[in-house]
Amino acid sequence: GQQVMQIPQYQHVQEGEDFTTYCNSSTTLSNIQWYKQRPGGHPVFLIQLVKSGEVKKQKRLTFQFGEAKKNSSLHITATQTTDVGTYFCAGRDNFNKFYFGSGTKLNVKP
Amino acid sequence: DAGVIQSPRHEVTEMGQEVTLRCKPISGHDYLFWYRQTMMRGLELLIYFNNNVPIDDSGMPEDRFSAKMPNASFSTLKIQPSEPRDSAVYFCASSLASYQETQYFGPGTRLLVL
Repeated sequence: GQQVMQIPQYQHVQEGEDFTTYCNSSTTLSNIQWYKQRPGGHPVFLIQLVKSGEVKKQKRLTFQFGEAKKNSSLHITATQTTDVGTYFCAGRDNFNKFYFGSGTKLNVKP
Repeated sequence: DAGVIQSPRHEVTEMGQEVTLRCKPISGHDYLFWYRQTMMRGLELLIYFNNNVPIDDSGMPEDRFSAKMPNASFSTLKIQPSEPRDSAVYFCASSLASYQETQYFGPGTRLLVL
C-alpha cells in the first residue's frame, strides 16, 4: 500500500551544522505538508507544497517538492537548539488518502 | 481562539475498562481527525469527519474502537474494552474547509492501559 518514508530516522548535529530530512512516496502526491513536533508536544504545521519542483523558504528552513511529486526535503541551515524535535512530512495521494511519514528526530547539541 | 481542546490530557486505566477521549475542534472548522501515535507505528490516522459525518474510518484498528461526532463542536473516541496495546498518545486535529488545508492538532491524550 501507499507509504511515505522518511530518512534518516534520527539525526544528531552540533549546533551550527546543517540538517536535511528526506521524504519519499511510492506514488504521486497531490500535495505535501511538513510538521514539527517538539518533545512532549503535538505536531505543528510548518508549510504546504503543491506544485512540482516548488521551493519555499522560512528563515533558515528550505522546503522542496520534487519534480515528480513523489519526494520532498526539508533543509535547516545552521541549526539551533530550538530546532530540536521530530519533523514529519505528510502527503495526500490522488485517492484523497492522507499519510504521515515516519518522522525524523533531530537532536542539536549546544 | 483556544485551539483544539482535548480531554483528558492523561488517562490511566486497567485492561478491559472503557475509555472515552473527547475533542472540541476549532470553531468553524469542517474537518476533524483522530490520530494515534506510538513509537512503533508512528502517527496513524484513525478516522476523519467532514461536517460531522465520518468519511474514512479505514484506520480504526478494530471493533473495539468507535468514534462519534454528534455536533460540530464535539467528538469522542471510545475504546471498549481497552487493552495494553492501546497505550498511545491520541491526537485530535481539525482543519478549516478542505482535506488539504492545514491541520491544527490538539495537545493529545496520553493513554496508559495496564
